[in-house]
Amino acid sequence: NAGVTQTPKFQVLKTGQSMTLQCAQDMNHNSMYWYRQDPGMGLRLIYYSASEGTTDKGEVPNGYNVSRLNKREFSLRLESAAPSQTSVYFCASSGGQGYEKLFFGSGTQLSVL
Amino acid sequence: QKEVEQNSGPLSVPEGAIASLNCTYSDRGSQSFFWYRQYSGKSPELIMFIYSNGDKEDGRFTAQLNKASQYVSLLIRDSQPSDSATYLCAVGFNTNAGKSTFGDGTTLTVKP
Repeated sequence: NAGVTQTPKFQVLKTGQSMTLQCAQDMNHNSMYWYRQDPGMGLRLIYYSASEGTTDKGEVPNGYNVSRLNKREFSLRLESAAPSQTSVYFCASSGGQGYEKLFFGSGTQLSVL
Repeated sequence: QKEVEQNSGPLSVPEGAIASLNCTYSDRGSQSFFWYRQYSGKSPELIMFIYSNGDKEDGRFTAQLNKASQYVSLLIRDSQPSDSATYLCAVGFNTNAGKSTFGDGTTLTVKP
């Protein structure tokens, strides 16, 4: 049972390049989330999807887009990367036996030069 | 003022001592409170959640909530070196942990 799988684990981009972070969960969860964590800071919600077919903005959505491809997969896209988007990105899901518990992926370290 | 504030730390305690981690929040309408542990370079892991005033115990961990004073704390009894990590407080309006607001975390070091 893999839980929440994120790819890639590391990525270096040049300013202006685009990329998509992939996330998949195998726990049949309804809700999925994308966060960013800057050094010495907590997590900030970028986008979330309460259920398949729906997405909503979180606290820091500017510069990002998301797609809830199906119940398992939730991707995050940077259309034109900026140095301010250098961060660690976490995907998470919830909606199993208790909405209280978030299950996190292992994270993506993204550097934008 | 930040919505969720934690002691910046770092906090250092000797092995076997009680570690006390504090968190204050600004929105009186907050209803759900979560504590996560995050080891360096790893993803956060939920260790406690609390919704009602008072104490909630789970093994060596006790969460304390005081809504009137707008603070929530985490006590770790008999601290172990393996408890050394950053502890994140998160505050929300319902049981949906995913939409909570996170504090910046307190780094705890337990010295043998």
